[in-house]
Amino acid sequence: EIVLTQSPATLSLSPGERATLSCRASQSVRSFLAWYQQKPGQAPRLLIYDVSNRATGTPARFSGSGSGTDFTLTISSLEPEDFAVYYCQQRSDWPLTFGGGTKVEIK
Amino acid sequence: QLQLQESGPGLVKPSETLSLTCTVSGGSLSSSNYYWVWIRQPPGEGLEWIGSIYYSGKTFYNPSLKSRLSMSVDMSRDQFSLKLSSVTAADTAVYYCARQDLELGRVSWFDPWGQGTLVTASS
Repeated sequence: EIVLTQSPATLSLSPGERATLSCRASQSVRSFLAWYQQKPGQAPRLLIYDVSNRATGTPARFSGSGSGTDFTLTISSLEPEDFAVYYCQQRSDWPLTFGGGTKVEIK
Repeated sequence: QLQLQESGPGLVKPSETLSLTCTVSGGSLSSSNYYWVWIRQPPGEGLEWIGSIYYSGKTFYNPSLKSRLSMSVDMSRDQFSLKLSSVTAADTAVYYCARQDLELGRVSWFDPWGQGTLVTASS
């Protein structure tokens, strides 16, 4: 099973600041990595797929990068609606797995 | 626009079977382009993929649940279902259904998702 480790667990930032979230895989997932955003009481929403492709409706301030085992989600300038939990997920191999999540909270 | 809606009992007794259904609207379950998926999230915790099913009935299950898990599709009703037997408190979670595209023979991402339904395993 491919284990995805996200860091940090919590990121405390102010609106307008840059957020950098990390996802590390226990083995290469090639480019088969996505990011989801989850707000309280809501289902997760696909944000970024195949490392760096923004899903429909994802603002340009969100960007993804990386390859192999190390990936990054960057939010260039935090808006109030961006404070949420973010999960990475791989589809390189079965079972499909998620990271443990990073909570981006208001400082 | 495709929508998914989970339904089923919100309370299940320990040792009994959890049964949920996902109804698909705005699209067809019988398309060869998609897998249909269950994912769960214990309260305050992260996400766990449960399993994926194709319209033909082909399944992929999470090995951690495989011995207790059964998924099926009912194309006449545009529904797919989940049965998890011998539940314990550890199975208490919000259960989501979702769709996965098939891309060059490989499953793709979870999009869209249903709103989720909380199932509590308790006597």
